[in-house]
Amino acid sequence: GAVVSQHPSWVICKSGTSVKIECRSLDFQATTMFWYRQFPKQSLMLMATSNEGSKATYEQGVEKDKFLINHASLTLSTLTVTSAHPEDSSFYICSASGTSGSMSQETQYFGPGTRLLVL
Amino acid sequence: DAKTTQPPSMDCAEGRAANLPCNHSTISGNEYVYWYRQIHSQGPQYIIHGLKNNETNEMASLIITEDRKSSTLILPHATLRDTAVYYCIVRVRGGKLIFGQGTELSVKP
Repeated sequence: GAVVSQHPSWVICKSGTSVKIECRSLDFQATTMFWYRQFPKQSLMLMATSNEGSKATYEQGVEKDKFLINHASLTLSTLTVTSAHPEDSSFYICSASGTSGSMSQETQYFGPGTRLLVL
Repeated sequence: DAKTTQPPSMDCAEGRAANLPCNHSTISGNEYVYWYRQIHSQGPQYIIHGLKNNETNEMASLIITEDRKSSTLILPHATLRDTAVYYCIVRVRGGKLIFGQGTELSVKP
């Protein structure tokens, strides 16, 4: 149980284009989803927190107009990187917490990540 | 959330127990200790968490000192597939996961 998927697993795009990354909870309802970014040789950095049906809460220094987050259902959240530039190239990882049987509601379960390369 | 301190790297022989320490001397009474690991180029994997009591599951054991200022994650029989970065994080219920640099565990044959 507690499986989170991401799509795509990797994407290459041209500078100036927008890229959408999907995060799905496959076997539980994710009341809260989180988006992280990880640069090479660094730790994960939390970008934003989203609750189903609400606007996302962004961490300090993260541009909300550049990183659009939608959490329209209990199993899907999307992150859109708008007008991507080479410095946005990174490993984007989502996580989700929610309810399903004996699963701890407070534990976050992570997706496999999406590697973005902007040329 | 309280800060944690972990050694940057550790080695362990395959088949032996891996004991990963974590200091969290400023932990509050309502903060849990969580452990995750990240294998290269993958998303983090939840391992275990606890508040006061020692915990054990199919992956590992978590030993928390009585004063809660430190803890140890124990992988009882490390395998090569346990090579990863291990993160110790303290957080309140529903709080954010703030990742530090973790411990890079290398399991060697």
